[in-house]
Amino acid sequence: RKEVEQDPGPFNVPEGATVAFNCTYSNSASQSFFWYRQDCRKEPKLLMSVYSSGNEDGRFTAQLNRASQYISLLIRDSKLSDSATYLCVVNGGSSASKIIFGSGTRLSIRP
Amino acid sequence: DGGITQSPKYLFRKEGQNVTLSCEQNLNHDAMYWYRQDPGQGLRLIYYSQIVNDFQKGDIAEGYSVSREKKESFPLTVTSAQKNPTAFYLCATSDRPSGNTIYFGEGSWLTVV
Repeated sequence: RKEVEQDPGPFNVPEGATVAFNCTYSNSASQSFFWYRQDCRKEPKLLMSVYSSGNEDGRFTAQLNRASQYISLLIRDSKLSDSATYLCVVNGGSSASKIIFGSGTRLSIRP
Repeated sequence: DGGITQSPKYLFRKEGQNVTLSCEQNLNHDAMYWYRQDPGQGLRLIYYSQIVNDFQKGDIAEGYSVSREKKESFPLTVTSAQKNPTAFYLCATSDRPSGNTIYFGEGSWLTVV
């Protein structure tokens, strides 16, 4: 089983739709969690951190479920500019080798 | 202008040649990392450094070497021993490895010709 797993997609949804991604992780001792966005042939950029209480930033909402060991990202009222690959990142401890990146979920928003 | 600067952005290498990718940061971050990304794949850790003059191997260190003589700089050398070096290389930093956000440079595309 991979340490961090994401559905690779692609998810192809119409503009204005709500879309949700999940990411599961295997290390129950993982300490911090993030969602990154990566555009084609560009570097990943931090989208948001994920907290147990959940957090929201505009149209984006991230949730952490420690009991089931998954994090989620919800995008409401999707825009064409949301088309990208979304990477789940899990930090399992005090060593850099414990920072694990998912392979990413591709999202394509159509007009 | 603050941030992480990688150079060159595009590099072509002949088989058997060593090449060095530069990474410079002015964020005053302690930790620096090198990742490799292949098409459709996740990021894989090559090397990381938590302090000056110290670095550790990541998951795929074979065929690569690094140095950390200055806090600001963490160059990566891709040696001829790396059998399949064509990839996207990303340098990253964080102010400490544990629980902190990672920030990336714009990346370097290496192609073996």
